[in-house]
Amino acid sequence: AQSVAQPEDQVNVAEGNPLTVKCTYSVSGNPYLFWYVQYPNRGLQFLLKYITGDNLVKGSYGFEAEFNKSQTSFHLKKPSALVSDSALYFCAVRDGNSGNTPLVFGKGTRLSVIA
Amino acid sequence: DGGITQSPKYLFRKEGQNVTLSCEQNLNHDAMYWYRQDPGQGLRLIYYSQIVNDFQKGDIAEGYSVSREKKESFPLTVTSAQKNPTAFYLCASKAQGAEAFFGQGTRLTVV
Repeated sequence: AQSVAQPEDQVNVAEGNPLTVKCTYSVSGNPYLFWYVQYPNRGLQFLLKYITGDNLVKGSYGFEAEFNKSQTSFHLKKPSALVSDSALYFCAVRDGNSGNTPLVFGKGTRLSVIA
Repeated sequence: DGGITQSPKYLFRKEGQNVTLSCEQNLNHDAMYWYRQDPGQGLRLIYYSQIVNDFQKGDIAEGYSVSREKKESFPLTVTSAQKNPTAFYLCASKAQGAEAFFGQGTRLTVV
């Protein structure tokens, strides 16, 4: 069975500062990892994914994430936060050995970037 | 213009009434999914379908039903057996090995 933990319900950061949103996962097979962002009353937008290859993955809007197998983590990062980055962020995982099985999501972390 | 479309955006249900949420995609994806979102609980899986004419229950299927008669369509019916249906419902689709694409959601409220 798969699971995802996002240990922080809320992250506050000043505009221009680096941001990190944490995610740890548990999966029995090969981890496929994803980050999505949600703005109010909207669907989820894909940011980036790790399937295989380089542990540092670059995605949309300047975001990146680092896959750490030993720590089973996939933290989302951005070097310089913008007010417009304020949103709800979800980490998700699925077993890469199991076809089109559904993503399992964390509970989300609300990011607030303060001007 | 390719994408996944959910309708309606807002839906109001009376007690004891069944309602159906629409989800259509023109991305030629085999797999489709329904999630429910409640504040502070993330996304919970209701039903999913990996191929036409086949679907499986997710973690919270009680009180819901689905059909997958066409590749493009995966409607969700919220039945009167669902005791707490007020939530934001999200539909998604994906191709093999790729990320999931989400619709814009339907907000269902019981009145």
